[in-house]
Amino acid sequence: GQSLEQPSEVTAVEGAIVQINCTYQTSGFYGLSWYQQHDGGAPTFLSYNALDGLEETGRFSSFLSRSDSYGYLLLQELQMKDSASYFCAVRDRTDSSYKLIFGSGTRLLVRP
Amino acid sequence: DVKVTQSSRYLVKRTGEKVFLECVQDMDHENMFWYRQDPGLGLRLIYFSYDVKMKEKGDIPEGYSVSREKKERFSLILESASTNQTSMYLCASSFASEKLFFGSGTQLSVL
Repeated sequence: GQSLEQPSEVTAVEGAIVQINCTYQTSGFYGLSWYQQHDGGAPTFLSYNALDGLEETGRFSSFLSRSDSYGYLLLQELQMKDSASYFCAVRDRTDSSYKLIFGSGTRLLVRP
Repeated sequence: DVKVTQSSRYLVKRTGEKVFLECVQDMDHENMFWYRQDPGLGLRLIYFSYDVKMKEKGDIPEGYSVSREKKERFSLILESASTNQTSMYLCASSFASEKLFFGSGTQLSVL
């Protein structure tokens, strides 16, 4: 089976940097994704890492270490609007296709 | 922009009723998914479909079935709704990638 672990809640101050960690266990690994979900909204795609290393997209970066089964999402220059839940997800192969399995989410609260 | 539309934002049903949740996407995506979201449990995959008339069970398929007669439409069916199926239901679609596009969700309450 597969499992993902991420902290349930993180609090940070506006303008600061925060890192949200994700460790995973899967039978086959094809990459780690990150999604953002504001309260009452739909999850939206942020990033995807298939290879080791850091991927940067503006204020957000995502890192993957396949050997450690570990990744993280790094948010810089935090803004109030970054308060949301963040989910890591792994792609798991099935007989016919693939499916995306999500972690339980990390609620980020940005304080003034 | 990709649009994934779920037919209802809020739905209230009674125990034992048959419930249909409809989802339509407008980007010709191959893959469609149904998740349920409960506090503290994240998004759990119920069923998904990788082609018309093709379906595969996710992690929590019990009590649910699905239908995909046309590429753009994926329906989730609760044959006999129960109170433990009260949840937020999210539909998503993708084109063979990691990038899922989600609908706004249907908050279902079963009384």
